[in-house]
Amino acid sequence: SQTIHQWPATLVQPVGSPLSLECTVEGTSNPNLYWYRQAAGRGLQLLFYSVGIGQISSEVPQNLSASRPQDRQFILSSKKLLLSDSGFYLCAWRTSGNTYEQYFGPGTRLTVT
Amino acid sequence: DAKTTQPPSMDCAEGRAANLPCNHSTISGNEYVYWYRQIHSQGPQYIIHGLKNNETNEMASLIITEDRKSSTLILPHATLRDTAVYYCIVRVGAGNQFYFGTGTSLTVIP
Repeated sequence: SQTIHQWPATLVQPVGSPLSLECTVEGTSNPNLYWYRQAAGRGLQLLFYSVGIGQISSEVPQNLSASRPQDRQFILSSKKLLLSDSGFYLCAWRTSGNTYEQYFGPGTRLTVT
Repeated sequence: DAKTTQPPSMDCAEGRAANLPCNHSTISGNEYVYWYRQIHSQGPQYIIHGLKNNETNEMASLIITEDRKSSTLILPHATLRDTAVYYCIVRVGAGNQFYFGTGTSLTVIP
């Protein structure tokens, strides 16, 4: 069966520090991968999605970036965090075939201080 | 993608049916209606989707009006574990972009 992992689960970082969040998927190949962010009391905002290794589409211009160095690995990064980057970061995957369901990871709660 | 409108919050008594409405008056012919839910501090969970016909699975039923401008998610016998935020999303086909709004916060009351 397929599983999706995210780490760390929680993170507290000072303003201006770098960020690296990792997401990995097991049990499937060539998935579509997604990064979302959810600010406190808000809906989910799509940040990036990827249909293959090295292929990244950005939805919202910001100081975040994403990379997909391997088929089932998706990384969210920042060189310098802002206070507004605080939130709940969710990774999700979907098979690249004609299916309709996205499967979400457990999330990383980031607090920028 | 068509915009969706949902009430911000609803209550439902435990054991009763929960009916969650969604308006999508600008939906186009090839756009599907999806429902997800998010229990506090967890990732969203897929519930059901449909195009024109009503759909039912082990979790819920989806009723889409004939003009497709609105839909209702029905949880037939709500339990306390159904307390969550429910998102209605409209998207073309399987798609790559899912835009989640603020959803409906459903509270199941004992």
